[in-house]
Amino acid sequence: NAGVMQNPRHLVRRRGQEARLRCSPMKGHSHVYWYRQLPEEGLKFMVYLQKENIIDESGMPKERFSAEFPKEGPSILRIQQVVRGDSAAYFCASSRAPVETQYFGPGTRLLVL
Amino acid sequence: QQQVKQSPQSLIVQKGGISIINCAYENTAFDYFPWYQQFPGKGPALLIAIRPDVSEKKEGRFTISFNKSAKQFSLHIMDSQPGDSATYFCAASAGAGSYQLTFGKGTKLSVIP
Repeated sequence: NAGVMQNPRHLVRRRGQEARLRCSPMKGHSHVYWYRQLPEEGLKFMVYLQKENIIDESGMPKERFSAEFPKEGPSILRIQQVVRGDSAAYFCASSRAPVETQYFGPGTRLLVL
Repeated sequence: QQQVKQSPQSLIVQKGGISIINCAYENTAFDYFPWYQQFPGKGPALLIAIRPDVSEKKEGRFTISFNKSAKQFSLHIMDSQPGDSATYFCAASAGAGSYQLTFGKGTKLSVIP
């Protein structure tokens, strides 16, 4: 009865590199959400995906950030050419339906040097 | 972006005491108000949630009080225990976009023996 899984748990990148964050939703869940948590801040919605579709990316920065949830495999949040301001905890959540409870993963802590 | 304002930022309570965390919101379209508990290094976990058709909801030692006219809601933890020490986030979402949770900045609760 595994919950939402995220990897890696910690990721260190130098400025200009790419960061790839993975999220496997709970079994039976086909809706995935990504949130970002800056230090001393609450979580901020980034994007909502269903299998092979981006439903709402209104919280995503316009440049360098992208997300996907392929038919097979985990959801991926990709950050290109990372900058120090991207350092944060990135959480993935999943649900069975968009109005149902979101269950969060343990997060990926990204540190950009 | 619509905000949810949470206070206090940190709270120290003696074991057996009552912990009270308050949140206020602006968007009158919000119709779902969950509270999340987050331990260090973990993702947020849903604690309890309320909809505006009721003024109070109790689950064990945790109670949400909701004041629709004042646009405020609060979490009460009765008989607080050291194991309750965590960061608590209030959140809200609205109608058709109810998957998009708007979080408060969090309250770090420390329960001392």
